[in-house]
Amino acid sequence: AQKITQTQPGMFVQEKEAVTLDCTYDTSDPSYGLFWYKQPSSGEMIFLIYQGSYDQQNATEGRYSLNFQKARKSANLVISASQLGDSAMYFCAMRHPHTGGGNKLTFGTGTQLKVEL
Amino acid sequence: EAGVAQSPRYKIIEKRQSVAFWCNPISGHATLYWYQQILGQGPKLLIQFQNNGVVDDSQLPKDRFSAERLKGVDSTLKIQPAKLEDSAVYLCASSLGIGGNYGYTFGSGTRLTVV
Repeated sequence: AQKITQTQPGMFVQEKEAVTLDCTYDTSDPSYGLFWYKQPSSGEMIFLIYQGSYDQQNATEGRYSLNFQKARKSANLVISASQLGDSAMYFCAMRHPHTGGGNKLTFGTGTQLKVEL
Repeated sequence: EAGVAQSPRYKIIEKRQSVAFWCNPISGHATLYWYQQILGQGPKLLIQFQNNGVVDDSQLPKDRFSAERLKGVDSTLKIQPAKLEDSAVYLCASSLGIGGNYGYTFGSGTRLTVV
């Protein structure tokens, strides 16, 4: 069964510092996709970054980068130069192309990030 | 481009009452999803539509939940009768298709409180 584990319920970081949010996953399917979403207190899920299982390089999107270690089954999110607006809940998710309708996302329990002055 | 629209934003009902949520996906998005997010948890897929057909409803409690997507555009999710444990945020999302790198776009959700 596919599973996403986020072991950090809450994290604090100083403004302008970098922070790493941990995510490990479990799947027996060689083809999968990994996503990170940001959920501010307003509730919407905002897409941040995507990594395909066959991608050779780590994904980057602006201040976000994904540290993909396939052998360890980890997909940690790195946020550089943290800003106050980064304070939110962050979810790691995995897509399984061969499960259900082929596009189902399985989410972790999330990490609440608080950026401090 | 307009995002995924959901209404209502908030709803409070008593247990055993019925409730319906509405979702309008991004124009042209063939795939529509309803997720349930209980407080302190990640979202869980309830049902996935491809155009107006259901492709995954394995985690939908079909004795009380129903959903439809008439004409392959808007969708409605209904709960009847509601239970206390249905209190959650109901998120609608859409994507262009299935597989590959098709990303999701989520709506702002409907926060349901059952008292």
